[in-house]
Amino acid sequence: NAGVTQTPKFQVLKTGQSMTLQCAQDMNHEYMSWYRQDPGMGLRLIHYSVGAGITDQGEVPNGYNVSRSTTEDFPLRLLSAAPSQTSVYFCASSYELAGANEQYFGPGTRLTVT
Amino acid sequence: AQSVTQLDSQVPVFEEAPVELRCNYSSSVSVYLFWYVQYPNQGLQLLLKYLSGSTLVESINGFEAEFNKSQTSFHLRKPSVHISDTAEYFCAVSELIQGAQKLVFGQGTRLTINP
Repeated sequence: NAGVTQTPKFQVLKTGQSMTLQCAQDMNHEYMSWYRQDPGMGLRLIHYSVGAGITDQGEVPNGYNVSRSTTEDFPLRLLSAAPSQTSVYFCASSYELAGANEQYFGPGTRLTVT
Repeated sequence: AQSVTQLDSQVPVFEEAPVELRCNYSSSVSVYLFWYVQYPNQGLQLLLKYLSGSTLVESINGFEAEFNKSQTSFHLRKPSVHISDTAEYFCAVSELIQGAQKLVFGQGTRLTINP
C-alpha cells in the first residue's frame, strides 16, 4: 500500500512552459485535492474532486487545470507557468466527503518557475 | 467562510521544556478541528483531531489539544518536547460546502527544539 504518490519530486520550468504534476492513490479514496504551500500562508486549496469525472475549483484555481478520469489518478496541469506558481504542491486524498475524515498527503512536488 | 489564525510563526524551545502552539478559528458554529504535522522534506500527517465529545484530545506521541468553543481556540500542547518534535505544525478547520470537505489551514508554526 503506497498511499499517495506524487511525481516529480522537483521541477524547474521556464516562464510560459507547461507541465503536469502527477498524483496517484491506491486507497480507493473518492475525494482528492491539490494544495499549494507558500511560506507564511499555510496550504491553499487549488482544485478538488469528489469522484471520477467530477472536479471543482478551490481557493486559488487560476492557471491550473485538473481532470479525474479514474479513481486513482488526479493530475494537475500548469498551462503556462509563471514565477508566481513557484511553490510546493501537495496532493491529498480522503475516504469520504464528510468533514471528519483525515486527509492523506503525498510527499510533495517542489516547483520553481524562472 | 472559515479562517484559521496561528498566532506564532516560529517557536523555539529547549529540549524537555513544555510548549504551546496557539490556534484560533473564526466561526463558533460546529466545526471539526485538526492539527497536522510536517517533518522536514515530507508531506503532512494527521497529529490529532477534534470531532465531538471530550474537549481534550491526545495524540500517540504526547501532544494534546483542547477545544474551547467560547474562545474559538484549539491550542496544541506538549509537557516535554524532544528533538524529534522539530517540525512545522498546521492547525486546520473542516468546512462542509456543497457536499465536499474543505480544509482551511492556518499559516503554520515552525517548532524548533534546541538541545
